[in-house]
Amino acid sequence: AQKVTQAQTEISVVEKEDVTLDCVYETRDTTYYLFWYKQPPSGELVFLIRRNSFDEQNEISGRYSWNFQKSTSSFNFTITASQVVDSAVYFCALSEGRDDKIIFGKGTRLHILP
Amino acid sequence: DTEVTQTPKHLVMGMTNKKSLKCEQHMGHRAMYWYKQKAKKPPELMFVYSYEKLSINESVPSRFSPECPNSSLLNLHLHALQPEDSALYLCASSQDVGLRYEQYFGPGTRLTVT
Repeated sequence: AQKVTQAQTEISVVEKEDVTLDCVYETRDTTYYLFWYKQPPSGELVFLIRRNSFDEQNEISGRYSWNFQKSTSSFNFTITASQVVDSAVYFCALSEGRDDKIIFGKGTRLHILP
Repeated sequence: DTEVTQTPKHLVMGMTNKKSLKCEQHMGHRAMYWYKQKAKKPPELMFVYSYEKLSINESVPSRFSPECPNSSLLNLHLHALQPEDSALYLCASSQDVGLRYEQYFGPGTRLTVT
């Protein structure tokens, strides 16, 4: 079973629209961390946010916001007033247990159309 | 400075060649990682170094040989690769190993094996 599920393979929206990227995770641990990374066409993964399992406060950073809900095991990412530069692949990821590993979802490819 | 650098950016090699990928960080991070990423897939962990010692080898074939000469530098030596090894190779670093630390990625080396 997938530990991190990003059901949306590809999304296209017109510039200035809001868009939400879904992420559902699965873990039996009580302590875990969730991450979002952005991978633009240049290839480099850019760290966006980290959230630990004890902090369910939603976070806003400029046009980006994150909604963490333990009840539904979801950690969704919303971009408000999207821009062409937001076009990228976005990965949700989970870190749990005693491993020093990050488990990535399959990614959502986001196209922002001018 | 939150930069991880990788050289070369692109590499084309034959199946009998020996080459090396280089990764460098000057953030004082004590954990460094190698990932392999095939097209339209998430990164797959290959190796983890913690305090300059190999802590995780994800059953990677011996034709890939990692080396950590010092805390800032990570190499990946390549020998007798196969065409299916063609991929984007990403290096990352984090402050330490463990759940809570986000990883910072370099821009990657795009490897083509002919």
